Amino acid sequence: DVKVTQSSRYLVKRTGEKVFLECVQDMDHENMFWYRQDPGLGLRLIYFSYDVKMKEKGDIPEGYSVSREKKERFSLILESASTNQTSMYLCASRSQGNDGELFFGEGSRLTVL
Amino acid sequence: QKEVEQNSGPLSVPEGAIASLNCTYSDRGSQSFFWYRQYSGKSPELIMFIYSNGDKEDGRFTAQLNKASQYVSLLIRDSQPSDSATYLCAVRSKIIFGSGTRLSIRP
Repeated sequence: DVKVTQSSRYLVKRTGEKVFLECVQDMDHENMFWYRQDPGLGLRLIYFSYDVKMKEKGDIPEGYSVSREKKERFSLILESASTNQTSMYLCASRSQGNDGELFFGEGSRLTVL
Repeated sequence: QKEVEQNSGPLSVPEGAIASLNCTYSDRGSQSFFWYRQYSGKSPELIMFIYSNGDKEDGRFTAQLNKASQYVSLLIRDSQPSDSATYLCAVRSKIIFGSGTRLSIRP
């Protein structure tokens, strides 16, 4: 079975702190994604990566950066957390090509005070 | 205009009836379309995908695609209480999601 593991299920941070959200997948998938999910807004794509060291902005990249140094790991970074970044963050991975199923991690609920 | 639009619901359907969920998209060049189901507190899981115009059936689920009208729909026959969830429509290679439709099956 494909496994996508997000390092933290729940985090509480203060405004201005730097936050790292880690995601690891064990199926050698080329594509990895970071979404945030907010009530009434659905899943919104922050960044995605289609290969090591490759990244592309999604629909809402402002305030975020990403890192993909190894194929299995895709990190989301909040350089200076703000209260409007309080959200559920979901990582997903997919094999190469446009028709692969997305496999999601369990999510990381971030609260910024 | 949003890339993918769904009615947020909630959509209430009696048990045993057909639930019809609709999604429209703006990018006429979109090729791949997906329906995900998300139970409360859980991550989304893929139910069906469709690429070609027409219907695709899988058990109680039927996906319908009409590229000319730019909509994709999901029909759930013989709805069960266990079908109560949020259904997310997704299109294209970057997997852009709609905001989801919350479906409630009433016994």
